[in-house]
Amino acid sequence: GQNIDQPTEMTATEGAIVQINCTYQTSGFNGLFWYQQHAGEAPTFLSYNVLDGLEEKGRFSSFLSRSKGYSYLLLKELQMKDSASYLCAVRGWVNSGAGSYQLTFGKGTKLSVIP
Amino acid sequence: GAGVSQSPSNKVTEKGKDVELRCDPISGHTALYWYRQRLGQGLEFLIYFQGNSAPDKSGLPSDRFSAERTGESVSTLTIQRTQQEDSAVYLCASSFTGETQYFGPGTRLLVL
Repeated sequence: GQNIDQPTEMTATEGAIVQINCTYQTSGFNGLFWYQQHAGEAPTFLSYNVLDGLEEKGRFSSFLSRSKGYSYLLLKELQMKDSASYLCAVRGWVNSGAGSYQLTFGKGTKLSVIP
Repeated sequence: GAGVSQSPSNKVTEKGKDVELRCDPISGHTALYWYRQRLGQGLEFLIYFQGNSAPDKSGLPSDRFSAERTGESVSTLTIQRTQQEDSAVYLCASSFTGETQYFGPGTRLLVL
């Protein structure tokens, strides 16, 4: 099966840096995604890692270590609009029916940015 | 181009009634997914369609839930004899095979 753990809630100050961690166990790992979800809205894609290392995209960066089953999302220069839930999702092989790659989502980390 | 669209955006129904939710994926996307998200909870996988292959129904919570997709186009999720526990946001996502999923705005279902 697949298991994903991330903190339930975090609070950070506007202008600061925050790191949201995600650990996972999966079979047939084939990529890790981070999504942002504002309250009452659908998730939107932020980043994708399939190889070890850091992917940087503006104020957001995502890191992956496949050997440790670990990823983090780094948000720099926090803005009030960054208050949202951040979902870690892992694509792994699921032996259901003929088998397929499926994306399993963590429960999300609710980030509150305070002035 | 247009993103994933879902209808209705909101649905209020009485316990025991059937509901049908619709998803229009991004044109050309071969894969389509349905998820359920209860209030304050994570996304729960329901069903996955990939091209003309048999769908992966492993996430459907009971036989009251079913979904269909015609080719690589529209999908409908049907919930029969709705229960209050079915109240949730139902999200649809589409992608090219194995690639990033793009989500629709969801249908907020409330069962009274």
